[in-house]
Amino acid sequence: DTGVSQDPRHKITKRGQNVTFRCDPISEHNRLYWYRQTLGQGPEFLTYFQNEAQLEKSRLLSDRFSAERPKGSFSTLEIQRTEQGDSAMYLCASSLAGSKGEAFFGQGTRLTVV
Amino acid sequence: DAKTTQPNSMESNEEEPVHLPCNHSTISGTDYIHWYRQLPSQGPEYVIHGLTSNVNNRMASLAIAEDRKSSTLILHRATLRDAAVYYCILLSGIQGAQKLVFGQGTRLTINP
Repeated sequence: DTGVSQDPRHKITKRGQNVTFRCDPISEHNRLYWYRQTLGQGPEFLTYFQNEAQLEKSRLLSDRFSAERPKGSFSTLEIQRTEQGDSAMYLCASSLAGSKGEAFFGQGTRLTVV
Repeated sequence: DAKTTQPNSMESNEEEPVHLPCNHSTISGTDYIHWYRQLPSQGPEYVIHGLTSNVNNRMASLAIAEDRKSSTLILHRATLRDAAVYYCILLSGIQGAQKLVFGQGTRLTINP
């Protein structure tokens, strides 16, 4: 297993377009997290799944954002009608449930909305 | 979410020890103390975690105050590759309430 992978690594889109990102977690991990990070800031929590259930969504996640993890394996994060303020690095992480489980992060998808 | 306070930045010299402090005065009895770091242009990576006792691993040591209201991440011999932003995070031990909430972290600069 090569760790958490995210696709694409970079995405440039025009304002108003929809974009979808994919995250493939480490195979035996049942927890999957999405974060957003802007320059100079720490990662901001967006949402997380345990298996296929979405357990929590941040208030930062407006109704233009939706995340799925249909079979409890890979996850997608979709942003509809993108805005320039959506430009950021989107990070995915996975872990085993339990407070002792370290989270492993992917390299992220950098979104630029022009 | 329980909060942590860290200095914005610290500087140290190569091959010297580095002590990165973190205050978490509102920590609850079920919160674990986790440390992550983020190297430039990479996602965060796990460093170490603990509950009450001091912890050591190949990357670092974690010293936890007796009252658990503060902790210190110790890099025993810093290298240039340790230059990163270090995040101190409290992770709830309660099932269903576990998520990593990042603050601003401490930007560590290592001088050659």
